Amino acid sequence: GAVVSQHPSRVICKSGTSVKIECRSLDFQATTMFWYRQFPKQSLMLMATSNEGSKATYEQGVEKDKFLINHASLTLSTLTVTSAHPEDSSFYICSANKMNTGELFFGEGSRLTVL
Amino acid sequence: QQQVKQSPQSLIVQKGGISIINCAYENTAFDYFPWYQQFPGKGPALLIAIRPDVSEKKEGRFTISFNKSAKQFSLHIMDSQPGDSATYFCAASISTSYGKLTFGQGTILTVHP
Repeated sequence: GAVVSQHPSRVICKSGTSVKIECRSLDFQATTMFWYRQFPKQSLMLMATSNEGSKATYEQGVEKDKFLINHASLTLSTLTVTSAHPEDSSFYICSANKMNTGELFFGEGSRLTVL
Repeated sequence: QQQVKQSPQSLIVQKGGISIINCAYENTAFDYFPWYQQFPGKGPALLIAIRPDVSEKKEGRFTISFNKSAKQFSLHIMDSQPGDSATYFCAASISTSYGKLTFGQGTILTVHP
């Protein structure tokens, strides 16, 4: 089946630094990619929708200047958490819509810990 | 109006039993209702999904029942196995952007051997 890869799977950083998380569709082109955040023992909350070559659409309450999303190609979207703080520690998960079929595939998630 | 409410929060079932998880939604524009299974530290994996033109869909041991008038849908896991122990999420979206999912709160299922 189609694979969505996230890198890194785990990252620990110091407060105030920026962290970039990649989401790649390995064997298909993705028209749209989605970024979710999941706090421990909680549900997935949609942060933003990104389309290749255009600006991401952020959900209400998500700071676009803090969570920078770049969708440079049909197989890659990146999420950069800028000036990370401990409260940004979370599990970040991306998903991708396969071009032509529209099937949706989730990545394995990236665990961010901010010290 | 975007909320999807899921219950129970946790569920313990004996091996071979039936696990039932329920969800209710408010937004009548929702027309795609998937269920996801998530293991600790992993991304969610699609189990089964339904659209409102049918009232039930079965795939193997997993069945979705859908009640459009009540705005409710449920997941039934037949012959539950210890390997089914995971967190289950219902979700909903609008088919014009069905990847933009609203998730329920999740149910932690434990199947005892």
